[in-house]
Amino acid sequence: AQSVTQPDARVTVSEGASLQLRCKYSSSGTPYLFWYVQYPRQGLQLLLKYYSGDPVVQGVNGFEAEFSKSNSSFHLRKASVHWSDSAVYFCVLSTGYQNFYFGKGTSLTVIP
Amino acid sequence: DTTVKQNPRYKLARVGKPVNLICSQTMNHDTMYWYQKKPNQAPKLLLFYYDKILNREADTFEKFQSSRPNNSFCSLYIGSAGLEYSAMYLCASSRGREDTQYFGPGTRLLVL
Repeated sequence: AQSVTQPDARVTVSEGASLQLRCKYSSSGTPYLFWYVQYPRQGLQLLLKYYSGDPVVQGVNGFEAEFSKSNSSFHLRKASVHWSDSAVYFCVLSTGYQNFYFGKGTSLTVIP
Repeated sequence: DTTVKQNPRYKLARVGKPVNLICSQTMNHDTMYWYQKKPNQAPKLLLFYYDKILNREADTFEKFQSSRPNNSFCSLYIGSAGLEYSAMYLCASSRGREDTQYFGPGTRLLVL
């Protein structure tokens, strides 16, 4: 069975601090992993994706994520957050059959 | 251009009345999806079209209908809206089975 767990429903950090949003997945097949962000009153936007190769993938706006097969994880990181990063972040798993499995999302609040 | 458009952005409907939501994309993607998203929940896949073939999730099979008159357009139809249909409806499209899904801004439906 496929599933995605984002253990932190809400995260609050100060502007300029580093960030890690956690994601654990369960997949019976080859996982394709994504991070999407939803800013207030907007649709979901792709931050980055992992298909294969280098386990560290770079995304937009300074975000990166690291895939770990041994830990079944795909954590999102940013070295220094800005107030405009406040949004809901979704970790998503695909197994290549047009089904996307979403985590419940992590709501990030950046305090100026 | 990776734009997916949705109309209307906001929809107010009465209980028992029909609702029709529209989605369009100009990326020549073969697959289009509809999701329902409620606050603090993960987006829930309702159905998707792969080319002209409609696939509906088992638990929402009778609640939602869809049509895809051409490659660019896809509609979501609710025959008789209930209060439980109040949610954000997200349309997405992708090229290929495991490729990235691109999301529209969503239609916020409120049923009264």
